[in-house]
Amino acid sequence: DTGVSQDPRHKITKRGQNVTFRCDPISEHNRLYWYRQTLGQGPEFLTYFQNEAQLEKSRLLSDRFSAERPKGSFSTLEIQRTEQGDSAMYLCASSLDTVAYGYTFGSGTRLTVV
Amino acid sequence: RKEVEQDPGPFNVPEGATVAFNCTYSNSASQSFFWYRQDCRKEPKLLMSVYSSGNEDGRFTAQLNRASQYISLLIRDSKLSDSATYLCVVPGGTASKLTFGTGTRLQVTL
Repeated sequence: DTGVSQDPRHKITKRGQNVTFRCDPISEHNRLYWYRQTLGQGPEFLTYFQNEAQLEKSRLLSDRFSAERPKGSFSTLEIQRTEQGDSAMYLCASSLDTVAYGYTFGSGTRLTVV
Repeated sequence: RKEVEQDPGPFNVPEGATVAFNCTYSNSASQSFFWYRQDCRKEPKLLMSVYSSGNEDGRFTAQLNRASQYISLLIRDSKLSDSATYLCVVPGGTASKLTFGTGTRLQVTL
């Protein structure tokens, strides 16, 4: 499979717990993006990496959120002390060294905080 | 002005109809634009890219009007399988990332 893969597909957690999601991009793609999508809205940018460097973070990314891409390959997104408002679909995408050709998205991780 | 704005719909059209969606954007320096399709509870998938004045792919035509800063998507001979949400996408800020509209929902009926 040469697409973007995300794990897990679904996660239900209790408020206050920490969760971590993983994204494996298309192997030749240097850029990796995280987005969040809630019902009725388009995907909202959270952060992106160029290889292992995190180059931009949205104001949506509070201090409870942290993302890493340690070797420039897979990435993890961790949410600490989850809140009900964190319930959303978390989408990972990857691209070549430019946005000029668009992104390829993974299937997403659907988080429900109860 | 928002970076990208779309009419959320829904657009309810019969099979065989022609339907058009518009989208406006604020960054006049944007060079490349996209339409993504998103099915319910699935990830967005690239439908079409728009680099200059327009692009056509089968029943789908995307057009760009730089002077008025809008992009349109035209679907001819609508099929039931076209029912989905269509996301207008433009480069955001420094063009290091893409900014998505809220999407326009299309429902094609018999």
